[in-house]
Amino acid sequence: GAVVSQHPSRVICKSGTSVKIECRSLDFQATTMFWYRQFPKQSLMLMATSNEGSKATYEQGVEKDKFLINHASLTLSTLTVTSAHPEDSSFYICSASGQPANYGYTFGSGTRLTVV
Amino acid sequence: GESVGLHLPTLSVQEGDNSIINCAYSNSASDYFIWYKQESGKGPQFIIDIRSNMDKRQGQRVTVLLNKTVKHLSLQIAATQPGDSAVYFCAESSGYSTLTFGKGTMLLVSP
Repeated sequence: GAVVSQHPSRVICKSGTSVKIECRSLDFQATTMFWYRQFPKQSLMLMATSNEGSKATYEQGVEKDKFLINHASLTLSTLTVTSAHPEDSSFYICSASGQPANYGYTFGSGTRLTVV
Repeated sequence: GESVGLHLPTLSVQEGDNSIINCAYSNSASDYFIWYKQESGKGPQFIIDIRSNMDKRQGQRVTVLLNKTVKHLSLQIAATQPGDSAVYFCAESSGYSTLTFGKGTMLLVSP
């Protein structure tokens, strides 16, 4: 089946630094990738949708200059949290859709970001 | 999204019991629904899906029921096992738009 690899699984960074999270589709071409954020005991909140080779579409309230998304190839999308602050600490999850995978099925394992 | 979860209701069952987890959705145009299982610290894992032209679909130990009239979705887990303990989310989409996640339910299975 379709596999999405997300890296790193955990990261701790200092306030003011930037962190990059990678999302890779391993056995299919991901034309679209989605980035979610999840706070403890809450549901997944869509942050942005990225299509290969074009700019990401951000959900309302999500700062595009703070959460930089790049989808330069059909197998890789990255989310960079710039100038991270403690309130950015959260669980970030990507999902990917494309062919032959079904639409939006497959999720990565998530990245626990802690900003100290 | 139209369905945003802010709190996690909990369902506690005994091992071997059948579990039923419910989900209400609000978008009447939604035509595709998925149930996910999420264990602590991990990403959501696909369990089963159903399209709006069906009202029931069965998998291994799981059954999804869809009632479009009242916009209700349920997940039935037969012979629940301790390994089924996790948070379960329903998700919906309309015409291949993005997935909107519903309120999650924490399932606790005691031996």
